[in-house]
Amino acid sequence: GDSVTQMEGPVTLSEEAFLTINCTYTATGYPSLFWYVQYPGEGLQLLLKATKADDKGSNKGFEATYRKETTSFHLEKGSVQVSDSAVYFCALTPNQAGTALIFGKGTTLSVSS
Amino acid sequence: EPEVTQTPSHQVTQMGQEVILRCVPISNHLYFYWYRQILGQKVEFLVSFYNNEISEKSEIFDDQFSVERPDGSNFTLKIRSTKLEDSAMYFCASSVFGTANTGELFFGEGSRLTVL
Repeated sequence: GDSVTQMEGPVTLSEEAFLTINCTYTATGYPSLFWYVQYPGEGLQLLLKATKADDKGSNKGFEATYRKETTSFHLEKGSVQVSDSAVYFCALTPNQAGTALIFGKGTTLSVSS
Repeated sequence: EPEVTQTPSHQVTQMGQEVILRCVPISNHLYFYWYRQILGQKVEFLVSFYNNEISEKSEIFDDQFSVERPDGSNFTLKIRSTKLEDSAMYFCASSVFGTANTGELFFGEGSRLTVL
C-alpha cells in the first residue's frame, strides 16, 4: 500500500545551519505531498504542500520539491533557528478524493544557539 | 486564532474499560478526523466524519471504535473495550474542505491514552 518513509531523528543542529530532512514515498496513484510540523505543546500544523510533480512548496523559509522520478519530497531550510525546533512529519494523500493523510513517523529537530 | 482542542490530555485506564476522547473542532469546519500515533510509530489515519456520518475509515477502526458528534461542538472517539495495543497518542483534526489535498487539516495537541 501507499506509504511514507522519513529519516530517523533526532536531528541536532546549531543555529544558522542548513537543514535537510529526507522523505520518500510509495504510491500507486498521483499523490499530493505535505510537510506538517508539531511545535512543543501544540497540534500538527501544515507547513507546506505540493500537489503535482515538480511543484515546490515553500513556507517560513522551508521548501520541498515534489520529485516523481526519485519519489521524494525532502524538506530543506537554508538557515535554521532555535524556534524551528519541532517534530516534522511528511505525509501524502493517495489520490485527489481521499480524506486520509498517510504520515511518516516524524523527525525531531533540535536547534541550539 | 481558532484551534482544535482535545480532552483529556492524558488518560490512564485499565484494559477492558471504555474510554471516550473528546474534541472540539474549529467552529466553521465541516470535516472531522481521528488519527493516532503509537509510540515510535507512524501517525495513522483512523476515521473521517462528515454530515453526521463516517465518510472514510481505516482497517484499524474496527467495531471497538465509534465516533459521534453529540452536539454542535463536540466530536468524540469511543473505544468500547480498551486493549493494551490501544495505548497511543490520539489526534483530532478538522477542516473546511473534505480532502487533504484542497483543505488544510487543523490538528489538536493530542490525547495520550495509556492502557494498563
